[in-house]
Amino acid sequence: NAGVTQTPKFRILKIGQSMTLQCTQDMNHNYMYWYRQDPGMGLKLIYYSVGAGITDKGEVPNGYNVSRSTTEDFPLRLELAAPSQTSVYFCASSYYRAVDTQYFGPGTRLTVL
Amino acid sequence: AQKVTQAQTEISVVEKEDVTLDCVYETRDTTYYLFWYKQPPSGELVFLIRRNSFDEQNEISGRYSWNFQKSTSSFNFTITASQVVDSAVYFCALSENNTDKLIFGTGTRLQVFP
Repeated sequence: NAGVTQTPKFRILKIGQSMTLQCTQDMNHNYMYWYRQDPGMGLKLIYYSVGAGITDKGEVPNGYNVSRSTTEDFPLRLELAAPSQTSVYFCASSYYRAVDTQYFGPGTRLTVL
Repeated sequence: AQKVTQAQTEISVVEKEDVTLDCVYETRDTTYYLFWYKQPPSGELVFLIRRNSFDEQNEISGRYSWNFQKSTSSFNFTITASQVVDSAVYFCALSENNTDKLIFGTGTRLQVFP
């Protein structure tokens, strides 16, 4: 099992560009999450999904969009990138709700200049 | 509302010292879960432990131990005989029952010097 995989590992964007961060899990988990980690801070939830076709906002959803067409994939879309979106992005998955253990991907380091 | 406080921003110790990382949480729920994750310099997040609110037994796993005290809303993590490989940022996190959110503390950076 690869667990949770994320691509790309690093990316530099110019202000106003868009991109999609990819996340795939092979553990047949129902729940998937996107977090961002700013320097010196904990992780903040952007969006999450409780199953294919169902997504919901977390604490910091502005500037992002998600979709969940399959159990395995949960891409995060950044539209009109801004410097405030410079961060490390983590995808995670769990079998059941947030009370279940979440397993994290390796992260994507994004810089917006 | 849920909240997790890790008051220690950074701790430095010398190898073989014992070190305790503090975690204080706030919740109105009677059923909740607490977690610790490790983030080594390579950046990934590694799951260490999950504990539910009904299980106050302390847990030991090798050099790691956890002290859960509901009376003080704390879930502290102790590393015995620290090693350089323990250098990392450690996060405490909380999830209330029937929610879909995991709330993280701001983390404690532990540096272990040889």
